[in-house]
Amino acid sequence: AQSVSQHNHHVILSEAASLELGCNYSYGGTVNLFWYVQYPGQHLQLLLKYFSGDPLVKGIKGFEAEFIKSKFSFNLRKPSVQWSDTAEYFCAVLSTSGTYKYIFGTGTRLKVLA
Amino acid sequence: EAQVTQNPRYLITVTGKKLTVTCSQNMNHEYMSWYRQDPGLGLRQIYYSMNVEVTDKGDVPEGYKVSRKEKRNFPLILESPSPNQTSLYFCASSLWAPTGTEAFFGQGTRLTVV
Repeated sequence: AQSVSQHNHHVILSEAASLELGCNYSYGGTVNLFWYVQYPGQHLQLLLKYFSGDPLVKGIKGFEAEFIKSKFSFNLRKPSVQWSDTAEYFCAVLSTSGTYKYIFGTGTRLKVLA
Repeated sequence: EAQVTQNPRYLITVTGKKLTVTCSQNMNHEYMSWYRQDPGLGLRQIYYSMNVEVTDKGDVPEGYKVSRKEKRNFPLILESPSPNQTSLYFCASSLWAPTGTEAFFGQGTRLTVV
């Protein structure tokens, strides 16, 4: 079955620390990958997306992600986090074979200490 | 402004009292879907719609109904709500394409069933 795994459920960092959130997917079709962010009390907003081309994708707010096909991974990174990055982060894959649907991971709660 | 609008944002109701959560998008998207978000479970798809009059079950459809009479609207109906439907609900829309675009999310509806 198609799935997305996020192994870090809770992450606590100090400001200026580097961030890497893991995401692995299980899907054999054309890859469409996303990272969404959900700030406290808000809806999901797109951070970045990958469809094809350069496997290193840059998004908003200094975030980037690297698609590694051999590892079925799409990890999110940021060199230096800020307090305002405190949020929940969701990795997602778009399945277009069979049922057209977005499949989300269970999310990673990031808390950045000032 | 491109957006997905859900109403209401907050709702407290009693077991068995029918309710409808509305969802409307102004981006002329073909694809719309409903998710519920529960702690530790991420987002799970309830129902989706590929276009007008075309709807299908997602992963957790029990206890829910939807309709798609117009392209812009996709209401979620709980005919007889139960406490296990207490959750945070999100409506989303996107274009429908093999190499997809991202999903756009509404602000969410926090439902409490007592």
